[in-house]
Amino acid sequence: AQKITQTQPGMFVQEKEAVTLDCTYDTSDQSYGLFWYKQPSSGEMIFLIYQGSYDEQNATEGRYSLNFQKARKSANLVISASQLGDSAMYFCAMKANAGGTSYGKLTFGQGTILTVHP
Amino acid sequence: EAGVAQSPRYKIIEKRQSVAFWCNPISGHATLYWYQQILGQGPKLLIQFQNNGVVDDSQLPKDRFSAERLKGVDSTLKIQPAKLEDSAVYLCASSFLSLLSYEQYFGPGTRLTVT
Repeated sequence: AQKITQTQPGMFVQEKEAVTLDCTYDTSDQSYGLFWYKQPSSGEMIFLIYQGSYDEQNATEGRYSLNFQKARKSANLVISASQLGDSAMYFCAMKANAGGTSYGKLTFGQGTILTVHP
Repeated sequence: EAGVAQSPRYKIIEKRQSVAFWCNPISGHATLYWYQQILGQGPKLLIQFQNNGVVDDSQLPKDRFSAERLKGVDSTLKIQPAKLEDSAVYLCASSFLSLLSYEQYFGPGTRLTVT
């Protein structure tokens, strides 16, 4: 079974500063994918970034980067130059083979609420 | 391209009543998912369809929840009878393929309140 742990219920950051949201995972699969989603107060889930377990480089997408440390089983999201619009709930999620079944299933963490102060 | 559509956006019912939610995925997406998100938690998968076949329904409370995806396009999720603990946001998502690197696109969700 897969498990995602996000230990920060809430984080605060000043506008234009960088912030790191923590995520650790547990799986026995060798092949897996890690995702970060943003959920604003309006409720929709917005895909931010993806990291594959065999990717050697850390993923980056604009102001988002994923600090992937495979040995530590961590996949932290770094948001650079925070903006007021970044205030939202952030979820770390994982897809794994799960013994060949439900290959598409995402397992989510509990989420971290990020508040950006002006 | 049009995103994942869901209706209704909000629903309030009394316990023991029934309710149905509708989802229309992104055109061409073979995989469709229904998630339940209880307030303050991450989404939990209820059921996954590949075209019109069920791939995973291991966390679907089958005594009260049912889902179908006729013709491999849109889908309905039904709860009958509803319990207080079913109060949650029900998210529909779709993906072109269920392979590892393909992200899921989520709809706006249906917020269900059971009183």
